Parts: sequence; C-alpha cells; structure tokens
Amino acid sequence: QLQLQESGPGLVKPSETLSLTCTVSGVSVSTNNYYWGWIRQSPGKGLDYIGIISYSGIPYYNPSLKSRVTISIDTSKNQFSLRLSSVTAADTALYFCARGLGGDSVALSWGQGTLVTVSS
Amino acid sequence: QTVVTQEPSFSVSPGGTVTLTCGLTSGSVSTNFYPSWYQQTPGQSPRTLIHNTNVRSSGVPDRFSGSILGNKAALTITGAQADDESDYYCVLFMGGGIWVFGGGTKLTVL
Repeated sequence: QLQLQESGPGLVKPSETLSLTCTVSGVSVSTNNYYWGWIRQSPGKGLDYIGIISYSGIPYYNPSLKSRVTISIDTSKNQFSLRLSSVTAADTALYFCARGLGGDSVALSWGQGTLVTVSS
Repeated sequence: QTVVTQEPSFSVSPGGTVTLTCGLTSGSVSTNFYPSWYQQTPGQSPRTLIHNTNVRSSGVPDRFSGSILGNKAALTITGAQADDESDYYCVLFMGGGIWVFGGGTKLTVL
C-alpha cells in the first residue's frame, strides 16, 4: 500500500531555504507514469500547487514560485524533495507531498502534511 | 492570469443533492483540463474523490460523481450525509505541468 511521509525542519528563518523530503513506501518512485508533487496550504487558506516531478526526473513548477523552487527525486532512497529558497512569512504553510498520475491527476494519494513556519 | 473559480460556500439538507462547480475566469472547462476534486476536513490531509473529470477514487462512494456541466466541471453529491460537511477543492490542468487549484467550497449539511 502506497504511503507518503513528509519530513524536514518545522521552523525556517526568513531568507533561508526550506528543505523537505517525502519518503515513499509501497511503490517505486520510478514507476512508469507516476508523478510526485508538492502542494501547500497556508493557515486557514486553500490549496496551492508548488510543483511536480515525473518518474523520469522532469520537474514542473508553479510559475509564481519557479524562481525559488527545486524539486528533485532520489530513486536510490525512494524519496523526492522540495527546496524553496529565500523564504518569507508568506511561505508559512502546511506542506503536503502527493502522488499523481501522468496528466490525469496532480494528486491521487497524499501525505499527512508537515507544518513549516517561517520566523526568526 | 486565469483563475479557477468555486462557490465560496454551499449548503445542503441531509439526504439532498448538491452540485459544486469549478470554472475559469476566462474560458470554459472541458475534459482537457482533467478536473479533480478533493474533500478536506479540518486538520486532515485532502482526500481525492474524483480525477480525470469523472473517475472515482478507490473507496469513494458512488454518491459522489464528477462531470462537465455547461462550461464548468461539477461535483455532485447525492443523498448528502452529515459527514459530507467539508471543504471541497477542484484543480485543473493548464498544460506544461501546471495545475491550478480553485479557492474551495465550504459545504454545510443542515
């Protein structure tokens, strides 16, 4: 059974880089046509697409975040990661990792989410 | 910039039917946008209900259905139950690996 688990620091200082990892169990991140994504939710707000990476390692990013975001995949650890640079308080959010399917879906399965607070 | 629109709130009576919609500020939603629908209750991660317009996720009751109605994607809940009271989000595929979420609909069952 597919499981996704986010991990990383819960507190990041302004201007620094937020780094999160999603550990996948139950399926290989290299599975054909599977895509692996990051979605966030600011406190009391809606869902916001950050980006996604294909099973073959091709990333796609939300244009509004593109200059600050990097999503990568590590097949040896069966993980994928998010890096968001130059963070501000506006990046404080619950960050979810998710498994999508080709062009059909950005998120079929979800992790439980991890709260990241940007504060000095 | 195209924005994905959803009703901010909706209410339905227990046992009733409600249709939530997902549109665009410019243009019409079609199956080419691969609309998906998610249900989220406070403190929980979202639950995927529907993807690719009308494909129900495993374990989702068949009283949840997705479709295209006019120029919008739609999520219809028939026989609403108390535990359907949640926030519902749609997302649309804009091409080039870009997905855009709607602002969500808060559904009240009363």
